[in-house]
Amino acid sequence: DAGITQSPRHKVTETGTPVTLRCHQTENHRYMYWYRQDPGHGLRLIHYSYGVKDTDKGEVSDGYSVSRSKTEDFLLTLESATSSQTSVYFCAITNGNEQFFGPGTRLTVL
Amino acid sequence: EDQVTQSPEALRLQEGESSSLNCSYTVSGLRGLFWYRQDPGKGPEFLFTLYSAGEEKEKERLKATLTKKESFLHITAPKPEDSATYLCAVQKVSGGSYIPTFGRGTSLIVHP
Repeated sequence: DAGITQSPRHKVTETGTPVTLRCHQTENHRYMYWYRQDPGHGLRLIHYSYGVKDTDKGEVSDGYSVSRSKTEDFLLTLESATSSQTSVYFCAITNGNEQFFGPGTRLTVL
Repeated sequence: EDQVTQSPEALRLQEGESSSLNCSYTVSGLRGLFWYRQDPGKGPEFLFTLYSAGEEKEKERLKATLTKKESFLHITAPKPEDSATYLCAVQKVSGGSYIPTFGRGTSLIVHP
């Protein structure tokens, strides 16, 4: 199995609070991704990174920011969480030929 | 705009009843089509990558094929443990980065 972990695995927070999700990989892959998965929408790309300090927006980036200060870590931040950001968040890595996903973080915003 | 459409949305099979899942796509500059399996409460599990029309890949009871407009995931003599959601994604290169676009998945239930 690809070495990719996410933390926390579950989080409940209140509207307006900041939240940071962490993705950690041990594969030394250049590309890392954050997705959200919602019923009826499938997996949607939030942000991605193509190297340390190199990031770009995906399809649903509003309300989210990311940072990557080391190859192995990719952080997703919700500056001020809203109920519409209640979702399951997945991190993924790829070498271009195969893409591997983390176990997911279930986030509930009350 | 890149689009991936999977059909059917849901499929119920009896054990041993073979069938196929469809993934049709429109993308500029395809650099790979991925198939994944996702079990409830877990992240997607990588199955196959296909790169060019005519390519086929197999793994146990699963066989993936690719044409210029669609891909099929054939399931031969399925077992209950094949029950899962199957996801398809197309990948392109934009600005030097790999950008995947996912379909909404097909939920497969195999009854014993």
